[in-house]
Amino acid sequence: QSVLTQPPSVSGAPGQRVTISCTGNSSNIGAAYDVHWYQHIPGTVPKLLIYSNVNRPSGVPDRFSGSKSGTSASLAITGLQAEDEADYYCQSYDNSLTASVFGGGTKLTVL
Amino acid sequence: QVQLVQSGAEVKKPGSSVKISCKASGGVFSRYGISWVRQAPGQGLEWMGGILPIFGTENYAQKFQGRVSITADESTSTAYMELSRLRSEDSALYYCAFTTAAGTGYHDYWGQGTLITVSS
Repeated sequence: QSVLTQPPSVSGAPGQRVTISCTGNSSNIGAAYDVHWYQHIPGTVPKLLIYSNVNRPSGVPDRFSGSKSGTSASLAITGLQAEDEADYYCQSYDNSLTASVFGGGTKLTVL
Repeated sequence: QVQLVQSGAEVKKPGSSVKISCKASGGVFSRYGISWVRQAPGQGLEWMGGILPIFGTENYAQKFQGRVSITADESTSTAYMELSRLRSEDSALYYCAFTTAAGTGYHDYWGQGTLITVSS
């Protein structure tokens, strides 16, 4: 059980907007540690999607955006496309565990 | 552009050890943070530990402390992860993941993964 909680699954139709939450506590997100997001399509290597809460690496479409507030962070995907179907993970640092931690992951299904 | 190439899949007996390598090309190896992340079948990503070669410091997830050792050989730009006292639950895909932006913690480059199967 991760200290970062994500919904197990979300879904949306093509063109719609979905959000994936990542809820932590005062030892991680609430302690002002940055949150990063990864997209993982089974059979491929995880891909950095958002770093340091809101930044997109070069090549990541602006349909993907990140935000952070208090002890939570969110990943928003607009204009859903079939190729967005994947598992999404948040990551942060936890100072009580003194370790990097991943959320449990969220499976996005494009209907 | 950093490229990471990991060693091949292995089958190990319970109680034995495994050592996986991750060779980097491109970039400045010693400046990067190197982590190991695993994914067991049907499970999510799990951070195991990391090393900062420039400082020679290591940090391990509590779950793996005492069983894992992460090292880095700057002369060959190769990182290693050794996991001992293997059990069936250690069967997983193991990734090396690099952090090129110092002090940030995010992994912008990943190896292709190494499948470790623990079976008697």
